[in-house]
Amino acid sequence: DTGVSQNPRHKITKRGQNVTFRCDPISEHNRLYWYRQTLGQGPEFLTYFQNEAQLEKSRLLSDRFSAERPKGSFSTLEIQRTEQGDSAMYLCASSGTGTDLYFGPGTRLTVL
Amino acid sequence: RKEVEQDPGPFNVPEGATVAFNCTYSNSASQSFFWYRQDCRKEPKLLMSVYSSGNEDGRFTAQLNRASQYISLLIRDSKLSDSATYLCVVTSGTYKYIFGTGTRLKVLA
Repeated sequence: DTGVSQNPRHKITKRGQNVTFRCDPISEHNRLYWYRQTLGQGPEFLTYFQNEAQLEKSRLLSDRFSAERPKGSFSTLEIQRTEQGDSAMYLCASSGTGTDLYFGPGTRLTVL
Repeated sequence: RKEVEQDPGPFNVPEGATVAFNCTYSNSASQSFFWYRQDCRKEPKLLMSVYSSGNEDGRFTAQLNRASQYISLLIRDSKLSDSATYLCVVTSGTYKYIFGTGTRLKVLA
């Protein structure tokens, strides 16, 4: 499978715990995006990378959120001290020389 | 005001109907425009890009009106399989993609 992959697919955690999600983009894609989506809403932009550089981060993203793409390949999104309001689907997408975004299946986070 | 606004619907239409969705955007500097489709509990997938001159792909026609800052999607001869949420997407800057809330379409037999 040469599409975007995300792990884990589901994560249930207790409030206050830290969680980390991984995204593996399509191999030749240099741009990688993280979005968050809640029920009935469109994907909400969180951050994006061009190669290993994080070029933009949403103001909606609190200091509890951090994303990395250390070698310009896979990326991780960490949420510290999770809150119930963090419950959502976290989507990763990648893009190459064109403008199309290719999404992974997402990681569904439930914070109890 | 949201950067990209769509009527959330739902739009319930019979098979064979023609249905149109509109989307407005607030950033006049936006350069690229798209429609994505999202099936229930699935990831969004590109339906079509939207070009200034308008473009068509089979039963789907997209239009862009830069002066009024809106984008439209027309679906002709609706099929049951067209039932999904349609997301309007606009770029902010070169590579930041902003999604609307989506418009739900249900095509009824």
